[in-house]
Amino acid sequence: DTGVSQDPRHKITKRGQNVTFRCDPISEHNRLYWYRQTLGQGPEFLTYFQNEAQLEKSRLLSDRFSAERPKGSFSTLEIQRTEQGDSAMYLCASSLGYKTSGPNTGELFFGEGSRLTVL
Amino acid sequence: GEDVEQSLFLSVREGDSSVINCTYTDSSSTYLYWYKQEPGAGLQLLTYIFSNMDMKQDQRLTVLLNKKDKHLSLRIADTQTGDSAIYFCAETHQAGTALIFGKGTTLSVSS
Repeated sequence: DTGVSQDPRHKITKRGQNVTFRCDPISEHNRLYWYRQTLGQGPEFLTYFQNEAQLEKSRLLSDRFSAERPKGSFSTLEIQRTEQGDSAMYLCASSLGYKTSGPNTGELFFGEGSRLTVL
Repeated sequence: GEDVEQSLFLSVREGDSSVINCTYTDSSSTYLYWYKQEPGAGLQLLTYIFSNMDMKQDQRLTVLLNKKDKHLSLRIADTQTGDSAIYFCAETHQAGTALIFGKGTTLSVSS
């Protein structure tokens, strides 16, 4: 399977604990995105990387959230001191930052998500 | 700020056409997308349209764009039970940057 993979698929934790999610993008994709989705809502943008550089962060990304992509391949999203309001599906997506021919459609390829439940 | 609005629910009978509507506020939106999300699965791109286009057809899917009214629609012809899913409209002003998604329209297809 050469799609976007996320791990773990489901994490249950107690309030106050730290959690870390990992995302492995499609190998030739240089852009990687994190989104959060709660029930009945669309995905909300959190942050994205081009290679190892974090290019944009949403104001939704509080100080307790940190994302890294140290070698420009996989990425981690860490949530410190989790709160019940952090319970959500955390989605990772990747895309080609550019195309050598044809228009860049900006298509994002999504993983199946990591579901966080904070008790 | 940027906002994308969609009706939340649509119910159709198998074989009928479905039309899902979306409005957006960002006049600089250049790329507009329709994504599909099935239960337990990731979002999958269905189709996209650039702002310099009025219409795009792709097999059973037709996308109409009215830039003046900032209105986007997705028509699914001959809707099948397998089309039951949540459909998200999304937009961005530059390919590869953050997409802004609507809340999604749940399409229910009955046989």
